[in-house]
Amino acid sequence: GQNIDQPTEMTATEGAIVQINCTYQTSGFNGLFWYQQHAGEAPTFLSYNVLDGLEEKGRFSSFLSRSKGYSYLLLKELQMKDSASYLCAVRDSNYQLIWGAGTKLIIKP
Amino acid sequence: ETGVTQTPRHLVMGMTNKKSLKCEQHLGHNAMYWYKQSAKKPLELMFVYSLEERVENNSVPSRFSPECPNSSHLFLHLHTLQPEDSALYLCASSQDPGSGANVLTFGAGSRLTVL
Repeated sequence: GQNIDQPTEMTATEGAIVQINCTYQTSGFNGLFWYQQHAGEAPTFLSYNVLDGLEEKGRFSSFLSRSKGYSYLLLKELQMKDSASYLCAVRDSNYQLIWGAGTKLIIKP
Repeated sequence: ETGVTQTPRHLVMGMTNKKSLKCEQHLGHNAMYWYKQSAKKPLELMFVYSLEERVENNSVPSRFSPECPNSSHLFLHLHTLQPEDSALYLCASSQDPGSGANVLTFGAGSRLTVL
C-alpha cells in the first residue's frame, strides 16, 4: 500500500529552527508538496520538490531525497504565526496525491 | 471575491436531512475537487471534476452526490448521512490535474456535524 509518515505534533520556540520530516512509500513518484493549514482555515501551498536537493523560499526550505523516500520542511526564525499544521503529499505514478496526516506545530514564546 | 469560496462554513444536520455544500472558484481553473478531512487522518479525496466531467469517484457512499454545473461551481449534495460523516469538507481547484506541479488552491472548508 501507499503511505506517508510524518510526526503528529512538534513543539518549538519562537526564533528557533524546526525541521518537520516526511517519509513516503508510494507507487512511483511525480513530486512532493508541502501545505500549511492554520486552524479553521484553508490549506495553502508552501513548496514543491521533484528533484533531489534543497529548495529555499524565504524562511522556509524543503528538501527531497528520492532514493531515501524522504523530505523535510525547515522553518527558520520561527514566529508565533507559524503555529499551524503542515501537510506532506506525494504525487504517485498515476498522478494521484497521497497525503500524510499532517504535523501540528506549536510555537512557544 | 478571489480564490475558492465555500458555503456554509458550518452545518449541523440530522440523519434524515438533505443539505448541500457549495464551492465557487474565481481562478479560472479547469479542475475542482472534494476532500474529506477528519481529525488526525490524511485528506481523503472524494471526487474530481475536470472540465466539468467527473474523472474520479473514490468509492464514496451514494449518500454523497456531487454536481458540477460549470467550471466555476461545485456542489456536494448530502442525504441520510451517518454520524461518522461528521468532518471538514474541503473544496479545491487546480489548473491542470494531469500536469507536473499541479498546485491545489483550497477553500476554508465546510464543517459538517451529523447528529
